Amino acid sequence: QVQLQESGPGLVRPSQTLSLTCSVSGDSSNSDDYYWGWIRQPPGKGLEWIGYSSNSGRYYYNPSLKSRLIMSEGTTNNQFSLMLSSVTSADTAVYYCARASGSRGYYGFFQQWGQGTLVTVSS
Amino acid sequence: IVLTQSPGTLSLSPGEGATLSCRASQSVSGGFLAWYQQRPGQAPRLLIYAASSRATGIPDRFSGSGSGTDFTLTISRLEPEDFAVYYCQQYVSSPLTFGGGTKVEIK
Repeated sequence: QVQLQESGPGLVRPSQTLSLTCSVSGDSSNSDDYYWGWIRQPPGKGLEWIGYSSNSGRYYYNPSLKSRLIMSEGTTNNQFSLMLSSVTSADTAVYYCARASGSRGYYGFFQQWGQGTLVTVSS
Repeated sequence: IVLTQSPGTLSLSPGEGATLSCRASQSVSGGFLAWYQQRPGQAPRLLIYAASSRATGIPDRFSGSGSGTDFTLTISRLEPEDFAVYYCQQYVSSPLTFGGGTKVEIK
């Protein structure tokens, strides 16, 4: 059973860059069958898709965040990362990393999730 | 694609059935729609994908249906652990989008 775990600072200053890493452990077989992504949830609100990547290295970003967003593979195997620049209080949220599965060529339902990490943007 | 969920809150008793609606602003062709359950303080859990396929380990009291712009999640008999917030999500086009959620609360 695959497990995902987010890590990174819980407090980020306004205008700075939010950086998070997701560590993946467990069953890595058939890894080409999955996409790896990020979703966030402001306190008391709904879910927002941030972006995801395929194992072929193609990245898909939410247009609302694209100008501030960089996703990448991590510095070690079985990790991937998120960087969101020029943050404001509107970026305060629980950030989840997740593994997306697909059917009939459409990837995007999230079957495995990390526990989430709260990132607060405040001075 | 904007997803609108209704009702916002559903007040029911254990053992009753629940019907949750998700309406899309344009057709979710192919039925590429998922449903999630989120309990307080927890990550969302996938219930249904491809509109009607139950995810691994999901009890058969959960079922999904629908096509085009109208989708439904049905819980046949509510168990105490089913009182939670439910989200629909489409993955047919980018950006992937979620509905605003329906809270199922104990009456």
